[in-house]
Amino acid sequence: QVQLVESGGGVVQPGRSLRLSCVASGFAFSGHGMHWVRQAPGKGLEWVALISNDGDGKHYADSVKGRFTISRDNSKNTLYLQMNTLRPDDTAVYYCTRASRPGSFYTESDCWGQGTLVTVSS
Amino acid sequence: DIVMAQSPDSLAVSLGERATINCKSSQSILYTSNKKNYLAWYQHKPGQPPKLLILWASTRESGVPDRFSGSGSGTDFTLTISSLQAEDVAVYYCQQYYYTPFSFGQGTRLEI
Repeated sequence: QVQLVESGGGVVQPGRSLRLSCVASGFAFSGHGMHWVRQAPGKGLEWVALISNDGDGKHYADSVKGRFTISRDNSKNTLYLQMNTLRPDDTAVYYCTRASRPGSFYTESDCWGQGTLVTVSS
Repeated sequence: DIVMAQSPDSLAVSLGERATINCKSSQSILYTSNKKNYLAWYQHKPGQPPKLLILWASTRESGVPDRFSGSGSGTDFTLTISSLQAEDVAVYYCQQYYYTPFSFGQGTRLEI
C-alpha cells in the first residue's frame, strides 16, 4: 500500500539547520509531485512547498522562501526539505504528502505521512 | 495569494443531524477551460494525518462515506455531513490548489 514515512525532526536552536526526509513506497514515486505541509501547535494546516515529479518545478510559501529548499531523489524514492535559518515560528509537525494525479502538481494531496515534529527553541 | 476563509470556526451538531461548513476563496478557483473548481476538503483527527474527503469541490474520494458531500463553485463552497456520526468529530479544512501557494482555510472544529 502507499506509504510515506517522514524522519529528521527534532529540537534545534534558532538560526540552525535541519533536513527532513520522506521515504515513499507502494507507488511510482517518480510519477508524482510531492508537497510539504506543516501544523504549528494549536494552529491549522499550512502549505509549505511543492516539487514536480521530475524535480524541475518548485514552489514555496512566502514564510519559508529563501530559507527552505525542497528536493527529491527519485532513485531513492525520497523527498527532502532542507530548512535553514530556523525560527521559533517554524516549530510544527511537518507532513509530506503526495500530489494525487501523476504528472501534475495542481492537485489535492491524497496520501499523507504521519508527520515529524520540529521544535525550534534555545 | 488566494486567501481561504472558513465559517464557522467551530460547530456543535447532534448525532444524526446535518453539519454544514462553508469555505470562501478570495478569488475564483474555477478553471473555465475544464470547468473544474480546484478545491479539496480534508478531515483531521488528533494524532492522525489529515484525510482527503473531497476533490474538485464535489467529487468524493474513494472510500469516503456518502454522508459527506461537497458543493459550490467559483468562490463559495460547502462541505455537508448529512447525518453526523460520532467518528466525524474532527477539524475540517478546505484547500485551494488553483494557484501556488496552495492555501488552506483556518479549519472548522466539529463537535457533538
